[in-house]
Amino acid sequence: DAGITQSPRHKVTETGTPVTLRCHQTENHRYMYWYRQDPGHGLRLIHYSYGVKDTDKGEVSDGYSVSRSKTEDFLLTLESATSSQTSVYFCAISDRDTNGRKYGYTFGSGTRLTVV
Amino acid sequence: AQKITQTQPGMFVQEKEAVTLDCTYDTSDPSYGLFWYKQPSSGEMIFLIYQGSYDQQNATEGRYSLNFQKARKSANLVISASQLGDSAMYFCAMREEETSGSRLTFGEGTQLTVNP
Repeated sequence: DAGITQSPRHKVTETGTPVTLRCHQTENHRYMYWYRQDPGHGLRLIHYSYGVKDTDKGEVSDGYSVSRSKTEDFLLTLESATSSQTSVYFCAISDRDTNGRKYGYTFGSGTRLTVV
Repeated sequence: AQKITQTQPGMFVQEKEAVTLDCTYDTSDPSYGLFWYKQPSSGEMIFLIYQGSYDQQNATEGRYSLNFQKARKSANLVISASQLGDSAMYFCAMREEETSGSRLTFGEGTQLTVNP
């Protein structure tokens, strides 16, 4: 299995507090993604990264920021958590092969975040 | 407009029977890929099958096959000989090579229940 881990796996936090979720990979993949999963919405892209210090917004980026200072780590930060950010957060990785074709995606196990 | 539409929130099938999960997509990108993922109650995202827009044949992976009808923009997943372990949420997803780069867009999912 691809090496991708998310931490923490579960977190309960209070409204207004900052929260950082970590995604760590050992595959040296170029692309990393943060998704959130909510009932009735499937998985929605929050932010993604296409290289160290190269990031861009997804469809639901408001209230979130990301950083990628090294290949293996992609951090998702909720600057001031709100109840609407209660969700399951998934990290994913992907890359191209030597022929330029894109790999599939490998997902982490998810982080269940509850904002009270 | 929704890029990926899964119109069946829930599906039921008898063990050992075949089942088709529907997925329609919307894109003007000539190059795209379609993915199906399985999410059991434990929460992990499991890759099942991939179909490229230029692939001449429908993709197959064991008991999974993808009924790709390009003109109708549909990419239905067919599971043959259903097993109790197939009970899970199933997501259809699309990558638009030119307009979205490496990003993956998901449908809302279909909850499949296999009855004994």
